[in-house]
Amino acid sequence: GAVVSQHPSRVICKSGTSVKIECRSLDFQATTMFWYRQFPKQSLMLMATSNEGSKATYEQGVEKDKFLINHASLTLSTLTVTSAHPEDSSFYICSAREAGLGYNEQFFGPGTRLTVL
Amino acid sequence: AQSVAQPEDQVNVAEGNPLTVKCTYSVSGNPYLFWYVQYPNRGLQFLLKYITGDNLVKGSYGFEAEFNKSQTSFHLKKPSALVSDSALYFCAVIGSNYQLIWGAGTKLIIKP
Repeated sequence: GAVVSQHPSRVICKSGTSVKIECRSLDFQATTMFWYRQFPKQSLMLMATSNEGSKATYEQGVEKDKFLINHASLTLSTLTVTSAHPEDSSFYICSAREAGLGYNEQFFGPGTRLTVL
Repeated sequence: AQSVAQPEDQVNVAEGNPLTVKCTYSVSGNPYLFWYVQYPNRGLQFLLKYITGDNLVKGSYGFEAEFNKSQTSFHLKKPSALVSDSALYFCAVIGSNYQLIWGAGTKLIIKP
């Protein structure tokens, strides 16, 4: 099956710093990538939808200036948490949808655990 | 409104017994339904999906799910539970904008 990787898998940073998380589709082209946030013992919360070559679409309540998303190629999307604060600590998961018409299944990355001190 | 409901926060099953994790959905048109499993501090792993065809869908690790249109349900089942099946299970449906709509998740605990 299709594989999606995330890097890093775990990151600890100081408050006020920026952290970049990469999401790559390894064996397929992904026109659309999704970024989710998951709090402990809760479901996934969609943060934004990223289409290759265009600006990301953010869900209501998600600060686009804080969570910068770049989908520069058909295999790479990045999420940058700017000026991170302890409340940004969470598990971030990306998924990628293969290029093509109509519905295509999403494939999920293994997630990135962000801890902001 | 489009939604997915997993009515049980937690399901406890003895090893070797059959298990069922419930899911009901509300979406317009024909539903595309999914089950994912998440182990601690890990991403989501795909278990199975229903797009069309047979109502009984077989997936990974011996899991299966039955699509019931009249009851708008897609319950996850396994004939004989293993301790290693203990995890968090999510049901999801594709919404009208092709985005996944997630259930709240059900924690499955299999006791030896």
